[in-house]
Amino acid sequence: DIQMTQSPSSLSASAGDRVTMTCRASQSISRYLNWYQQKPGKAPKLLIYASSDLQRGVPSRFSGSGSGTDFTLTISSLQPEDVATYYCQQSYSPFLTFGGGTKVEIK
Amino acid sequence: QVQLVESGGGLVQPGGSLRLSCAVSGVSFADSIMSWIRQAPGKGLEWIAYISSSATTIYYADSVKGRFTISRDNANNSLFLQMSSLRADDTAIYYCARESGYGFGSTFDSWGQGALVTVSS
Repeated sequence: DIQMTQSPSSLSASAGDRVTMTCRASQSISRYLNWYQQKPGKAPKLLIYASSDLQRGVPSRFSGSGSGTDFTLTISSLQPEDVATYYCQQSYSPFLTFGGGTKVEIK
Repeated sequence: QVQLVESGGGLVQPGGSLRLSCAVSGVSFADSIMSWIRQAPGKGLEWIAYISSSATTIYYADSVKGRFTISRDNANNSLFLQMSSLRADDTAIYYCARESGYGFGSTFDSWGQGALVTVSS
């Protein structure tokens, strides 16, 4: 199976800050990488697919980049409503795998 | 809009069985590729099963292979997960999820609210 490793596991930033988190795959997955946001008690929500394509309705402050094994999710200006856990997921292999998540908090 | 509603969760003893259902509306279910994804309490997401629109292709994670069975009823817009030989580490919220069809592998743009399965004596 393809292993997905996210870092950091948690971060705390001030509202308005630029926030970046990373996801690394154990082998090349081209651009087959998706990002989800999960708020407490809720189902995950798709933010970014194919590494950098913004899902309809998702604010433009969210962006994704990367290919091969290294990927990044950036929030350009952190908002209070962005407090959540963010998961990456590879879709290269039919045996799908998620990263362990990055929990984002507001200082 | 697309709606996915799971049912069938609950408390079951170790070694027992349980069947989850997922009712899908607002979209052509017969054209939908579906998966089950679970989340143990306080833990991350784990994909466990995939079924193609016509049920001709099915995949399972190693953690559930041989114990869980995914199936679907396209006539009744429903997805199922039959779980047997349940263990304590199967305790989780179980989500059904529908693929977006973006053509870049399995990307889930629709999720149910989740069904809690607790395996305990």
